[in-house]
Amino acid sequence: GENVEQHPSTLSVQEGDSAVIKCTYSDSASNYFPWYKQELGKRPQLIIDIRSNVGEKKDQRIAVTLNKTAKHFSLHITETQPEDSAVYFCAASKAAWGGATNKLIFGTGTLLAVQP
Amino acid sequence: EPEVTQTPSHQVTQMGQEVILRCVPISNHLYFYWYRQILGQKVEFLVSFYNNEISEKSEIFDDQFSVERPDGSNFTLKIRSTKLEDSAMYFCASSNDRYNNEQYFGPGTRLTVT
Repeated sequence: GENVEQHPSTLSVQEGDSAVIKCTYSDSASNYFPWYKQELGKRPQLIIDIRSNVGEKKDQRIAVTLNKTAKHFSLHITETQPEDSAVYFCAASKAAWGGATNKLIFGTGTLLAVQP
Repeated sequence: EPEVTQTPSHQVTQMGQEVILRCVPISNHLYFYWYRQILGQKVEFLVSFYNNEISEKSEIFDDQFSVERPDGSNFTLKIRSTKLEDSAMYFCASSNDRYNNEQYFGPGTRLTVT
């Protein structure tokens, strides 16, 4: 069935260091991979996404890479700041035709702690 | 910037009672979703909705659950007879493009069943 594995479950870094979170998906038809940041008690917020026709995408300090062959995608945060501390979720979905909607299958989350 | 809104923010109910969770998606969005998140766990898909009908539902979304878009702005999730295990945060999400699928989440309703 559809599944997304996410590692690590917790990650502690020093301010200014880089953080990398990795996900693996099972459904080879998946073609859209968003990353969400969730602060305690808040809604998941879309921070970056990548589609299957692209291998890498960057937005300031965050970047996402996709390896379709290996069915891996990763989030990279550089120059981490204390405000980056949150739970990060990866997700995968596939385009569904004929008017159907595209559910997101989420990973289990990574608690990122940036130590000042 | 437009946002998805949800009410109430917190709902406490007794087991067996009916609850309705309300969402107002972003106004030009056409695709609507409900997800839930049990405390400390990942976000799980419940149901998707398009063109006034359910597009897909998960195995969690059994006969006790229903969704409705009663007017041009609201999107509701009803649980007919709540169980203790329904306690969770329920998120509504919407998107305006089925292919690009950027889904924006509401702030959630924390449902506590006692």
